[in-house]
Amino acid sequence: QVQLQQSGTELVKPASSVKISCKASGYTFTSNYMHWIRQQPGNGLEWIGWIYPGNGNTKYNQKFDGKATLTADKSSSTAYMQLSSLTSEDSAVYFCARRGGGYYFDYWGQGVMVTVSS
Amino acid sequence: DVVMTQTPVSLSVSLGGQVSISCRSSQSLVHNNGNTYLSWYLQKPGQSPQLLIYKVSNRFSGISDRFSGSGSGTDFTLKISRVEPDDLGVYYCGQGTQYPFTFGSGTKLEIK
Repeated sequence: QVQLQQSGTELVKPASSVKISCKASGYTFTSNYMHWIRQQPGNGLEWIGWIYPGNGNTKYNQKFDGKATLTADKSSSTAYMQLSSLTSEDSAVYFCARRGGGYYFDYWGQGVMVTVSS
Repeated sequence: DVVMTQTPVSLSVSLGGQVSISCRSSQSLVHNNGNTYLSWYLQKPGQSPQLLIYKVSNRFSGISDRFSGSGSGTDFTLKISRVEPDDLGVYYCGQGTQYPFTFGSGTKLEIK
């Protein structure tokens, strides 16, 4: 069965960076787009961008350009998102989600809570 | 960006009852390829969202036929019949027709 296992909770300092991971299993990692989505405390969902692990192509929501960098390691079937120049506004839960047959998200990771605090 | 407006913000329903959630988009969600990429997700308390409905009316694998989606263009509806305790949570609509992909602000379903 498809599973997306994300890394653990992060507590990071302002102005620093953090890299979170999403390990995929149960399907061919290189054949599906992997998306990242943010959920700020008490808020809804914001789409950050996608990566296609097959060739490394990426697309970002302009809002996250320069903030998020998506990468993927085919050998370990793991997608990564690095967030840089962190501020308190970046405190949120970050989900990875696999794109289904069309433009929707059929499987989601459990989420990573990132807290930015000094 | 396409703005997705969900109503109501919250609703309370008795077990066995039926509810409808509306989702309206600020632009047509018909893609150049003719498909309409409107999907519905349920986020249960403490969990990640799960896909219920994709392309307006298609139930995802394992989703009960108590959930049904309808609509076209800019106006969409999710109906839940014979509500069960496990249905509580926040329901989101989302569009994948235009970048950036966007979501509604959510509808919280409570069980009376």
